[in-house]
Amino acid sequence: NAGVTQTPKFRILKIGQSMTLQCTQDMNHNYMYWYRQDPGMGLKLIYYSVGAGITDKGEVPNGYNVSRSTTEDFPLRLELAAPSQTSVYFCASSYVQGYTFGSGTRLTVV
Amino acid sequence: DAKTTQPPSMDCAEGRAANLPCNHSTISGNEYVYWYRQIHSQGPQYIIHGLKNNETNEMASLIITEDRKSSTLILPHATLRDTAVYYCIVRVAFGNTGNQFYFGTGTSLTVIP
Repeated sequence: NAGVTQTPKFRILKIGQSMTLQCTQDMNHNYMYWYRQDPGMGLKLIYYSVGAGITDKGEVPNGYNVSRSTTEDFPLRLELAAPSQTSVYFCASSYVQGYTFGSGTRLTVV
Repeated sequence: DAKTTQPPSMDCAEGRAANLPCNHSTISGNEYVYWYRQIHSQGPQYIIHGLKNNETNEMASLIITEDRKSSTLILPHATLRDTAVYYCIVRVAFGNTGNQFYFGTGTSLTVIP
Protein backbone atom coordinates (compact mmCIF):
# COMPACT_ATOMS: atom_id res chain seq x y z
CA ASN A 1 0.00 0.00 0.00
CA ALA A 2 1.86 3.08 -1.26
CA GLY A 3 -0.52 5.73 0.15
CA VAL A 4 -0.08 9.12 -1.53
CA THR A 5 2.69 9.35 -4.10
CA GLN A 6 4.00 12.64 -5.43
CA THR A 7 6.36 13.17 -8.33
CA PRO A 8 8.81 14.73 -8.88
CA LYS A 9 10.46 15.25 -5.49
CA PHE A 10 12.51 18.21 -6.67
CA ARG A 11 12.28 20.54 -9.66
CA ILE A 12 13.83 23.77 -10.80
CA LEU A 13 11.81 25.83 -13.28
CA LYS A 14 12.63 28.98 -15.17
CA ILE A 15 10.23 31.91 -15.02
CA GLY A 16 7.42 31.43 -17.52
CA GLN A 17 7.83 27.67 -17.87
CA SER A 18 5.00 25.30 -17.12
CA MET A 19 4.86 21.96 -15.36
CA THR A 20 2.54 19.43 -13.80
CA LEU A 21 2.98 18.07 -10.30
CA GLN A 22 1.66 14.54 -10.13
CA CYS A 23 -0.26 13.05 -7.22
CA THR A 24 -1.65 9.52 -7.01
CA GLN A 25 -3.32 7.69 -4.14
CA ASP A 26 -4.20 4.01 -3.93
CA MET A 27 -6.56 4.15 -0.95
CA ASN A 28 -9.73 4.86 -2.90
CA HIS A 29 -10.23 8.15 -1.05
CA ASN A 30 -12.75 10.53 -2.58
CA TYR A 31 -11.22 13.68 -1.14
CA MET A 32 -7.90 15.03 -2.36
CA TYR A 33 -6.06 18.29 -1.74
CA TRP A 34 -3.10 20.39 -2.80
CA TYR A 35 -1.23 22.56 -0.29
CA ARG A 36 1.82 24.73 -0.57
CA GLN A 37 4.20 25.56 2.26
CA ASP A 38 6.56 28.49 2.12
CA PRO A 39 9.64 28.50 4.38
CA GLY A 40 8.75 28.90 8.05
CA MET A 41 5.05 29.09 7.30
CA GLY A 42 2.04 26.84 7.68
CA LEU A 43 0.31 25.05 4.83
CA LYS A 44 -1.96 26.97 2.49
CA LEU A 45 -4.73 25.17 0.60
CA ILE A 46 -4.52 25.64 -3.17
CA TYR A 47 -7.26 23.39 -4.57
CA TYR A 48 -9.26 20.43 -3.43
CA SER A 49 -11.53 17.78 -4.91
CA VAL A 50 -14.41 15.85 -3.39
CA GLY A 51 -14.47 13.24 -6.13
CA ALA A 52 -13.71 12.52 -9.77
CA GLY A 53 -14.81 15.41 -11.95
CA ILE A 54 -15.28 17.83 -9.06
CA THR A 55 -12.71 20.43 -8.00
CA ASP A 56 -12.83 23.68 -6.08
CA LYS A 57 -10.54 26.54 -5.08
CA GLY A 58 -8.84 26.84 -1.73
CA GLU A 59 -7.12 29.84 -0.17
CA VAL A 60 -4.43 30.48 -2.80
CA PRO A 61 -5.57 29.16 -6.22
CA ASN A 62 -4.14 31.89 -8.46
CA GLY A 63 -1.53 30.63 -10.89
CA TYR A 64 -2.60 27.00 -10.60
CA ASN A 65 -5.04 24.60 -12.22
CA VAL A 66 -6.18 21.12 -11.32
CA SER A 67 -8.17 18.29 -12.81
CA ARG A 68 -9.61 15.08 -11.37
CA SER A 69 -10.48 12.61 -14.10
CA THR A 70 -10.06 9.55 -11.85
CA THR A 71 -10.35 8.82 -8.14
CA GLU A 72 -6.65 8.01 -7.96
CA ASP A 73 -5.05 11.03 -9.66
CA PHE A 74 -5.09 14.73 -8.83
CA PRO A 75 -2.45 16.62 -10.85
CA LEU A 76 -1.58 20.26 -10.19
CA ARG A 77 -0.65 22.42 -13.16
CA LEU A 78 1.50 25.55 -13.13
CA GLU A 79 1.09 27.39 -16.44
CA LEU A 80 3.46 30.37 -16.16
CA ALA A 81 5.88 29.79 -13.33
CA ALA A 82 6.76 32.79 -11.18
CA PRO A 83 9.33 33.17 -8.37
CA SER A 84 6.44 33.53 -5.90
CA GLN A 85 5.57 29.91 -6.61
CA THR A 86 8.83 28.70 -5.13
CA SER A 87 7.57 26.45 -2.35
CA VAL A 88 7.09 22.91 -1.15
CA TYR A 89 3.90 21.37 -2.49
CA PHE A 90 2.01 18.68 -0.62
CA CYS A 91 -0.77 16.50 -1.93
CA ALA A 92 -3.12 14.76 0.48
CA SER A 93 -6.14 12.50 0.48
CA SER A 94 -8.56 12.13 3.32
CA TYR A 95 -10.34 9.38 5.18
CA VAL A 96 -12.46 9.31 8.31
CA GLN A 97 -9.83 10.42 10.79
CA GLY A 98 -7.99 12.91 8.67
CA TYR A 99 -5.44 13.32 5.96
CA THR A 100 -2.70 11.18 4.48
CA PHE A 101 -0.01 13.39 2.99
CA GLY A 102 2.51 12.71 0.29
CA SER A 103 6.19 13.40 0.83
CA GLY A 104 6.11 16.68 -1.05
CA THR A 105 7.57 18.31 -4.16
CA ARG A 106 10.18 21.02 -3.63
CA LEU A 107 9.85 23.53 -6.46
CA THR A 108 12.23 26.40 -7.16
CA VAL A 109 11.43 29.01 -9.81
CA VAL A 110 14.42 31.03 -11.00
CA ASP B 1 -14.19 27.23 10.87
CA ALA B 2 -13.11 28.47 14.26
CA LYS B 3 -9.70 30.08 14.56
CA THR B 4 -7.04 28.55 16.79
CA THR B 5 -4.19 30.16 18.73
CA GLN B 6 -1.02 28.30 19.64
CA PRO B 7 2.30 29.41 21.14
CA PRO B 8 4.92 29.65 18.42
CA SER B 9 7.49 27.49 20.19
CA MET B 10 8.07 25.26 23.21
CA ASP B 11 10.86 23.15 24.67
CA CYS B 12 10.53 19.88 26.53
CA ALA B 13 13.11 17.65 28.22
CA GLU B 14 13.44 14.18 26.79
CA GLY B 15 11.40 11.64 28.76
CA ARG B 16 9.11 14.27 30.23
CA ALA B 17 5.54 14.97 29.21
CA ALA B 18 5.06 17.62 26.54
CA ASN B 19 1.88 19.64 26.97
CA LEU B 20 0.93 21.69 23.93
CA PRO B 21 -1.93 24.18 24.43
CA CYS B 22 -4.43 25.43 21.90
CA ASN B 23 -7.10 28.09 22.27
CA HIS B 24 -10.26 27.91 20.15
CA SER B 25 -12.67 30.21 21.95
CA THR B 26 -15.07 30.52 18.98
CA ILE B 27 -15.51 26.79 18.43
CA SER B 28 -18.99 25.65 17.45
CA GLY B 29 -20.85 22.68 18.83
CA ASN B 30 -20.30 20.53 15.75
CA GLU B 31 -16.60 21.27 15.33
CA TYR B 32 -13.91 18.78 16.19
CA VAL B 33 -10.40 19.52 17.40
CA TYR B 34 -7.70 17.86 15.30
CA TRP B 35 -3.97 17.66 15.92
CA TYR B 36 -1.31 17.05 13.29
CA ARG B 37 2.44 17.30 13.37
CA GLN B 38 5.07 17.93 10.73
CA ILE B 39 8.57 16.62 11.14
CA HIS B 40 11.19 18.58 9.24
CA SER B 41 9.54 19.28 5.88
CA GLN B 42 7.79 15.93 5.66
CA GLY B 43 4.06 15.82 5.01
CA PRO B 44 1.97 16.45 8.14
CA GLN B 45 0.98 13.39 10.15
CA TYR B 46 -2.36 12.84 11.88
CA ILE B 47 -2.09 12.50 15.66
CA ILE B 48 -5.52 12.58 17.26
CA HIS B 49 -8.89 14.30 17.22
CA GLY B 50 -11.85 14.78 19.55
CA LEU B 51 -15.18 16.52 20.02
CA LYS B 52 -15.96 16.78 23.74
CA ASN B 53 -14.44 13.91 25.64
CA ASN B 54 -10.77 13.39 26.31
CA GLU B 55 -9.16 11.05 23.83
CA THR B 56 -6.09 8.82 23.98
CA ASN B 57 -4.30 6.73 21.40
CA GLU B 58 -0.88 5.20 21.02
CA MET B 59 0.68 8.53 20.14
CA ALA B 60 -0.88 11.07 22.47
CA SER B 61 -3.73 12.23 24.68
CA LEU B 62 -6.10 15.08 23.95
CA ILE B 63 -7.66 16.99 26.81
CA ILE B 64 -10.55 19.30 25.90
CA THR B 65 -11.90 21.71 28.51
CA GLU B 66 -15.53 21.44 29.52
CA ASP B 67 -16.44 24.67 27.71
CA ARG B 68 -14.47 23.42 24.67
CA LYS B 69 -12.70 26.74 24.30
CA SER B 70 -9.25 25.24 24.69
CA SER B 71 -7.45 21.94 24.50
CA THR B 72 -4.09 20.39 25.31
CA LEU B 73 -2.19 17.76 23.40
CA ILE B 74 -0.08 15.61 25.69
CA LEU B 75 2.88 13.54 24.57
CA PRO B 76 3.43 11.46 27.72
CA HIS B 77 7.13 10.66 27.31
CA ALA B 78 8.66 12.95 24.72
CA THR B 79 11.54 11.62 22.65
CA LEU B 80 13.91 13.41 20.30
CA ARG B 81 11.83 12.10 17.40
CA ASP B 82 8.88 14.14 18.67
CA THR B 83 10.66 17.36 17.69
CA ALA B 84 8.27 18.81 15.12
CA VAL B 85 5.73 21.52 14.39
CA TYR B 86 2.35 20.70 15.93
CA TYR B 87 -0.84 22.04 14.38
CA CYS B 88 -4.15 22.41 16.18
CA ILE B 89 -7.09 22.64 13.78
CA VAL B 90 -10.78 23.03 14.41
CA ARG B 91 -13.08 21.63 11.76
CA VAL B 92 -16.57 20.31 11.26
CA ALA B 93 -16.99 16.58 11.02
CA PHE B 94 -15.65 14.65 8.07
CA GLY B 95 -17.97 14.45 5.12
CA ASN B 96 -19.03 18.07 5.09
CA THR B 97 -17.96 20.29 2.20
CA GLY B 98 -14.80 18.40 1.37
CA ASN B 99 -13.38 18.49 4.85
CA GLN B 100 -10.51 20.75 3.90
CA PHE B 101 -8.21 21.68 6.77
CA TYR B 102 -6.68 25.10 7.18
CA PHE B 103 -3.28 24.99 8.85
CA GLY B 104 -1.84 27.89 10.81
CA THR B 105 1.81 28.21 11.83
CA GLY B 106 1.51 25.76 14.73
CA THR B 107 3.83 25.23 17.71
CA SER B 108 7.43 24.26 17.09
CA LEU B 109 8.28 21.72 19.79
CA THR B 110 11.93 21.02 20.51
CA VAL B 111 12.72 18.01 22.67
CA ILE B 112 15.99 18.57 24.49
CA PRO B 113 18.29 15.67 25.43
